[in-house]
Amino acid sequence: AIRMTQSPSSLSASTGDRVNITCRASQRISSYLAWYQKKPGEAPKVLIYGASTLQNGVPSRFSGSESGTDFTLSISCLQSEDFATYYCQQYYSYPLTFGGGTKVEI
Amino acid sequence: EVQLVESGGGLEKPGRSLRLSCTASGFSFGDYSLSWVRQAPGKGLEWVGFIRSKAYRETVEYAASVKGRFSISRDDFKSIVYLEMNGLKTEDTAVYYCNRVNSSGWYFFDYWGQGTLVTVS
Repeated sequence: AIRMTQSPSSLSASTGDRVNITCRASQRISSYLAWYQKKPGEAPKVLIYGASTLQNGVPSRFSGSESGTDFTLSISCLQSEDFATYYCQQYYSYPLTFGGGTKVEI
Repeated sequence: EVQLVESGGGLEKPGRSLRLSCTASGFSFGDYSLSWVRQAPGKGLEWVGFIRSKAYRETVEYAASVKGRFSISRDDFKSIVYLEMNGLKTEDTAVYYCNRVNSSGWYFFDYWGQGTLVTVS
């Protein structure tokens, strides 16, 4: 199985900050990577797919990039509603696997 | 509006069985693959399995941790996808989410239900 390693596991930030979250795949996954936002008690929400394509309705302050097997989710100007846990997911091969999550806290 | 509503969760003893249902609305159910993902208390997300649409012969894929114990099926007339869980283990305790696989055919999930809690104890 492809292992997805996210870093950091948590971070503290303030409203207005720029935040970067990294996900490293244990092998090549091309651009078959999605990012999700998860808030307590709520269903996850897809933000980005194809490593860098913004899902419809997602604010443009979210962006994704890739470099080899390293993928980055960036939030350019953190808003209060962005405090959540973020997960990456590879869909290059089965089993589908998620990263361990990054909790973005105030 | 796309909606996915899970039901059937609850408390069950190890070794017993439980069937979860996910009722969908707001889209052409038969055209989509559907999946289950779970989240154990205090843990991250774990893919459980999915079932493809009839166009792809309703074939299924499972995570190694549930293969041979869990089974996914669908009823396109009722717009319901099922997760049959047999031989439950304490480590199956989790919130189980039903989700829709994106229409592009690439296996990421564009809509999720609110989840149903399964406790095995």
